[in-house]
Amino acid sequence: SQTIHQWPATLVQPVGSPLSLECTVEGTSNPNLYWYRQAAGRGLQLLFYSVGIGQISSEVPQNLSASRPQDRQFILSSKKLLLSDSGFYLCAWSVDRIYGYTFGSGTRLTVV
Amino acid sequence: SQQGEEDPQALSIQEGENATMNCSYKTSINNLQWYRQNSGRGLVHLILIRSNEREKHSGRLRVTLDTSKKSSSLLITASRAADTASYFCATASNSGGYQKVTFGTGTKLQVIP
Repeated sequence: SQTIHQWPATLVQPVGSPLSLECTVEGTSNPNLYWYRQAAGRGLQLLFYSVGIGQISSEVPQNLSASRPQDRQFILSSKKLLLSDSGFYLCAWSVDRIYGYTFGSGTRLTVV
Repeated sequence: SQQGEEDPQALSIQEGENATMNCSYKTSINNLQWYRQNSGRGLVHLILIRSNEREKHSGRLRVTLDTSKKSSSLLITASRAADTASYFCATASNSGGYQKVTFGTGTKLQVIP
Protein backbone atom coordinates (compact mmCIF):
# COMPACT_ATOMS: atom_id res chain seq x y z
CA SER A 1 0.00 0.00 0.00
CA GLN A 2 1.07 3.56 -0.56
CA THR A 3 2.29 5.64 2.35
CA ILE A 4 3.76 9.06 2.75
CA HIS A 5 6.17 10.07 5.47
CA GLN A 6 6.86 13.62 6.49
CA TRP A 7 9.18 14.78 9.25
CA PRO A 8 9.74 16.33 11.66
CA ALA A 9 6.25 16.87 13.12
CA THR A 10 7.21 20.11 14.85
CA LEU A 11 10.16 22.41 14.47
CA VAL A 12 11.20 25.63 16.18
CA GLN A 13 13.94 27.50 14.39
CA PRO A 14 15.54 30.93 14.92
CA VAL A 15 15.32 33.62 12.27
CA GLY A 16 18.18 33.34 9.80
CA SER A 17 18.74 29.61 10.34
CA PRO A 18 18.49 27.06 7.50
CA LEU A 19 15.59 24.69 6.97
CA SER A 20 15.23 21.22 5.53
CA LEU A 21 11.94 19.33 5.58
CA GLU A 22 11.79 15.91 4.00
CA CYS A 23 8.95 13.93 2.52
CA THR A 24 9.13 10.39 1.16
CA VAL A 25 6.54 8.25 -0.55
CA GLU A 26 6.38 4.47 -0.56
CA GLY A 27 4.41 2.01 -2.62
CA THR A 28 4.18 3.99 -5.84
CA SER A 29 6.48 5.15 -8.59
CA ASN A 30 6.74 8.44 -10.47
CA PRO A 31 4.24 10.28 -8.27
CA ASN A 32 3.44 13.94 -8.60
CA LEU A 33 4.67 15.58 -5.41
CA TYR A 34 3.53 18.80 -3.78
CA TRP A 35 4.46 21.12 -0.91
CA TYR A 36 1.66 23.18 0.62
CA ARG A 37 1.66 25.73 3.42
CA GLN A 38 -1.32 26.36 5.64
CA ALA A 39 -1.56 29.54 7.71
CA ALA A 40 -3.54 29.30 10.96
CA GLY A 41 -7.26 28.82 10.25
CA ARG A 42 -6.77 29.15 6.51
CA GLY A 43 -6.77 27.03 3.40
CA LEU A 44 -3.73 25.54 1.73
CA GLN A 45 -1.36 27.47 -0.49
CA LEU A 46 0.56 25.49 -3.09
CA LEU A 47 4.28 26.26 -2.85
CA PHE A 48 5.94 23.75 -5.17
CA TYR A 49 5.04 20.78 -7.30
CA SER A 50 7.13 18.19 -9.09
CA VAL A 51 6.20 15.78 -11.87
CA GLY A 52 9.57 13.99 -11.90
CA ILE A 53 13.14 13.84 -10.60
CA GLY A 54 14.78 17.24 -10.78
CA GLN A 55 11.59 18.87 -12.10
CA ILE A 56 10.37 21.57 -9.75
CA SER A 57 7.78 24.25 -10.39
CA SER A 58 7.17 27.12 -8.03
CA GLU A 59 3.75 28.62 -7.60
CA VAL A 60 4.68 31.70 -5.59
CA PRO A 61 7.93 33.64 -5.17
CA GLN A 62 9.26 33.15 -1.69
CA ASN A 63 12.13 32.46 0.61
CA LEU A 64 11.88 28.70 0.10
CA SER A 65 13.15 26.21 -2.45
CA ALA A 66 12.37 22.59 -3.23
CA SER A 67 14.32 19.68 -4.64
CA ARG A 68 13.53 16.15 -5.77
CA PRO A 69 16.77 14.16 -5.72
CA GLN A 70 15.00 10.80 -5.99
CA ASP A 71 11.71 9.66 -7.48
CA ARG A 72 9.97 9.39 -4.13
CA GLN A 73 11.76 12.06 -2.15
CA PHE A 74 10.78 15.72 -1.97
CA ILE A 75 12.68 18.26 0.13
CA LEU A 76 11.68 21.77 1.16
CA SER A 77 14.56 24.07 2.07
CA SER A 78 15.53 27.55 3.04
CA LYS A 79 18.96 29.10 3.49
CA LYS A 80 17.74 31.74 5.94
CA LEU A 81 14.35 31.52 7.60
CA LEU A 82 12.12 34.55 8.07
CA LEU A 83 9.44 35.04 10.72
CA SER A 84 6.84 34.92 7.94
CA ASP A 85 7.92 31.36 7.07
CA SER A 86 6.11 30.08 10.15
CA GLY A 87 3.20 27.81 9.34
CA PHE A 88 2.01 24.28 8.83
CA TYR A 89 3.74 22.59 5.91
CA LEU A 90 2.15 19.66 4.17
CA CYS A 91 3.57 17.29 1.60
CA ALA A 92 1.23 15.43 -0.75
CA TRP A 93 1.36 13.06 -3.69
CA SER A 94 -0.89 12.00 -6.52
CA VAL A 95 -0.46 9.65 -9.47
CA ASP A 96 -2.98 10.79 -12.01
CA ARG A 97 -5.83 13.12 -12.67
CA ILE A 98 -8.54 10.79 -11.46
CA TYR A 99 -7.81 10.39 -7.79
CA GLY A 100 -7.28 12.92 -5.06
CA TYR A 101 -4.19 13.75 -3.12
CA THR A 102 -2.69 11.82 -0.24
CA PHE A 103 -1.24 14.10 2.39
CA GLY A 104 1.50 13.62 4.93
CA SER A 105 0.87 14.42 8.58
CA GLY A 106 2.44 17.87 8.31
CA THR A 107 5.23 19.84 9.97
CA ARG A 108 4.44 22.71 12.30
CA LEU A 109 7.25 25.24 11.79
CA THR A 110 7.66 28.13 14.20
CA VAL A 111 10.34 30.69 13.40
CA VAL A 112 11.35 32.69 16.46
CA SER B 1 -7.80 34.65 -6.39
CA GLN B 2 -9.65 32.18 -4.21
CA GLN B 3 -11.01 29.33 -6.30
CA GLY B 4 -12.92 27.30 -3.76
CA GLU B 5 -14.78 29.09 -1.01
CA GLU B 6 -16.65 27.16 1.63
CA ASP B 7 -19.77 28.27 3.36
CA PRO B 8 -20.35 28.47 6.26
CA GLN B 9 -16.96 29.15 7.79
CA ALA B 10 -18.05 27.43 10.99
CA LEU B 11 -20.92 25.10 11.84
CA SER B 12 -22.02 23.69 15.19
CA ILE B 13 -24.63 20.93 15.36
CA GLN B 14 -25.89 18.26 17.74
CA GLU B 15 -24.87 14.68 17.32
CA GLY B 16 -27.31 12.86 15.06
CA GLU B 17 -28.16 15.92 12.97
CA ASN B 18 -27.11 16.36 9.38
CA ALA B 19 -24.35 18.79 8.42
CA THR B 20 -24.28 20.56 5.08
CA MET B 21 -21.31 22.49 3.77
CA ASN B 22 -21.17 24.38 0.50
CA CYS B 23 -18.36 25.25 -1.86
CA SER B 24 -18.37 27.77 -4.69
CA TYR B 25 -15.74 28.20 -7.34
CA LYS B 26 -15.04 30.49 -10.27
CA THR B 27 -13.44 28.67 -13.21
CA SER B 28 -14.13 25.45 -15.09
CA ILE B 29 -12.92 22.32 -13.36
CA ASN B 30 -11.99 18.69 -14.08
CA ASN B 31 -13.14 17.49 -10.70
CA LEU B 32 -13.90 18.68 -7.20
CA GLN B 33 -12.62 16.99 -4.08
CA TRP B 34 -13.54 17.17 -0.42
CA TYR B 35 -11.02 16.69 2.36
CA ARG B 36 -11.18 16.49 6.10
CA GLN B 37 -8.56 17.80 8.52
CA ASN B 38 -8.43 17.07 12.20
CA SER B 39 -6.78 19.79 14.26
CA GLY B 40 -3.03 19.93 13.65
CA ARG B 41 -3.04 17.00 11.25
CA GLY B 42 -2.74 16.39 7.53
CA LEU B 43 -5.72 16.36 5.21
CA VAL B 44 -7.58 13.17 4.44
CA HIS B 45 -9.21 12.71 1.07
CA LEU B 46 -12.92 11.97 1.43
CA ILE B 47 -14.50 11.96 -1.99
CA LEU B 48 -13.92 13.13 -5.55
CA ILE B 49 -16.66 14.08 -7.97
CA ARG B 50 -15.91 14.57 -11.65
CA SER B 51 -17.24 17.47 -13.66
CA ASN B 52 -19.65 15.20 -15.54
CA GLU B 53 -21.13 13.76 -12.34
CA ARG B 54 -23.93 15.36 -10.37
CA GLU B 55 -24.02 13.32 -7.18
CA LYS B 56 -21.84 10.86 -5.36
CA HIS B 57 -22.21 8.87 -2.15
CA SER B 58 -19.69 7.33 0.22
CA GLY B 59 -21.05 5.94 3.47
CA ARG B 60 -22.64 8.84 5.35
CA LEU B 61 -21.26 11.36 2.87
CA ARG B 62 -23.20 12.77 -0.04
CA VAL B 63 -21.63 15.20 -2.48
CA THR B 64 -23.45 17.12 -5.18
CA LEU B 65 -21.97 19.18 -7.99
CA ASP B 66 -23.75 21.83 -10.04
CA THR B 67 -21.36 23.01 -12.74
CA SER B 68 -23.87 25.55 -14.06
CA LYS B 69 -23.83 27.29 -10.67
CA LYS B 70 -20.19 26.42 -10.03
CA SER B 71 -21.04 25.02 -6.64
CA SER B 72 -20.84 21.81 -4.64
CA SER B 73 -22.22 20.65 -1.34
CA LEU B 74 -21.07 18.05 1.17
CA LEU B 75 -23.73 16.47 3.35
CA ILE B 76 -22.79 14.39 6.37
CA THR B 77 -25.78 12.47 7.63
CA ALA B 78 -26.35 11.32 11.22
CA SER B 79 -23.30 13.22 12.44
CA ARG B 80 -21.08 11.90 15.20
CA ALA B 81 -18.77 13.68 17.63
CA ALA B 82 -15.87 12.10 15.72
CA ASP B 83 -16.90 14.08 12.63
CA THR B 84 -15.65 17.24 14.35
CA ALA B 85 -12.99 18.60 12.00
CA SER B 86 -12.37 21.16 9.29
CA TYR B 87 -13.63 20.28 5.83
CA PHE B 88 -12.07 21.66 2.67
CA CYS B 89 -13.17 21.59 -0.92
CA ALA B 90 -10.53 21.56 -3.64
CA THR B 91 -11.02 22.17 -7.33
CA ALA B 92 -8.86 20.53 -9.96
CA SER B 93 -8.33 22.26 -13.28
CA ASN B 94 -5.82 22.15 -16.09
CA SER B 95 -2.88 24.49 -15.73
CA GLY B 96 0.18 24.40 -17.95
CA GLY B 97 -0.06 20.69 -18.70
CA TYR B 98 -0.68 19.49 -15.21
CA GLN B 99 -3.68 19.28 -12.96
CA LYS B 100 -3.68 22.15 -10.51
CA VAL B 101 -5.64 21.64 -7.32
CA THR B 102 -6.72 24.73 -5.39
CA PHE B 103 -8.07 24.52 -1.85
CA GLY B 104 -10.68 26.67 -0.19
CA THR B 105 -10.41 28.10 3.31
CA GLY B 106 -12.53 25.39 4.89
CA THR B 107 -15.57 24.91 7.09
CA LYS B 108 -14.98 24.16 10.74
CA LEU B 109 -17.55 21.61 11.91
CA GLN B 110 -18.24 20.98 15.56
CA VAL B 111 -20.52 18.09 16.48
CA ILE B 112 -21.73 18.33 20.05
CA PRO B 113 -22.31 14.99 21.80
